[in-house]
Amino acid sequence: SQTIHQWPATLVQPVGSPLSLECTVEGTSNPNLYWYRQAAGRGLQLLFYSVGIGQISSEVPQNLSASRPQDRQFILSSKKLLLSDSGFYLCAVRPEIWGQSYNEQFFGPGTRLTVL
Amino acid sequence: DAKTTQPTSMDCAEGRAANLPCNHSTISGNEYVYWYRQIHSQGPQYIIHGLKNNETNEMASLIITEDRKSSTLILPHATLRDTAVYYCIVNPSGNQFYFGTGTSLTVIP
Repeated sequence: SQTIHQWPATLVQPVGSPLSLECTVEGTSNPNLYWYRQAAGRGLQLLFYSVGIGQISSEVPQNLSASRPQDRQFILSSKKLLLSDSGFYLCAVRPEIWGQSYNEQFFGPGTRLTVL
Repeated sequence: DAKTTQPTSMDCAEGRAANLPCNHSTISGNEYVYWYRQIHSQGPQYIIHGLKNNETNEMASLIITEDRKSSTLILPHATLRDTAVYYCIVNPSGNQFYFGTGTSLTVIP
């Protein structure tokens, strides 16, 4: 089965500072990868998804960007954080194992970001 | 842009079956019904999914109506650890999941 690593687990950053959150996946190759954000008391919002290296689709216009430099690495970045960027950031994977694509998404442990 | 409606909250007595409803009246023929749950401060956990037929796994059962406009997730013997927010999602491919606010299930001792 696949394992999803996210770091850091928690982060406190000042407004205007840069951001880099990393997600790495084990146990699958050529997965679809996703970044979600959950603001306090809200549902999950899909931010980006990627079907392959260098391929990024953005779901909502925002202050954030994503990159996929390697097959199992997905990075969420910002040049200047806003207060509204605070939230719980989740990386998810839709795995492909032994050539079979799975419909389910599996989520990492998340990064809790507080922008002050 | 969730295409499902769920009750905001529900209670269930420990040991009893928890029946969580979901309406998806505009579901398309190629869209699956997925259920996930999120325990506080954790990432969502996949539970089950189905297209037309009822499905059962070690966690839950999924009952989909014949017209596919609604479904029910059944936790047969709820435990305190099942207290969570439960999300019902319809999607054709497993991509671009849109989570709504879900149902907050509280299992009461």
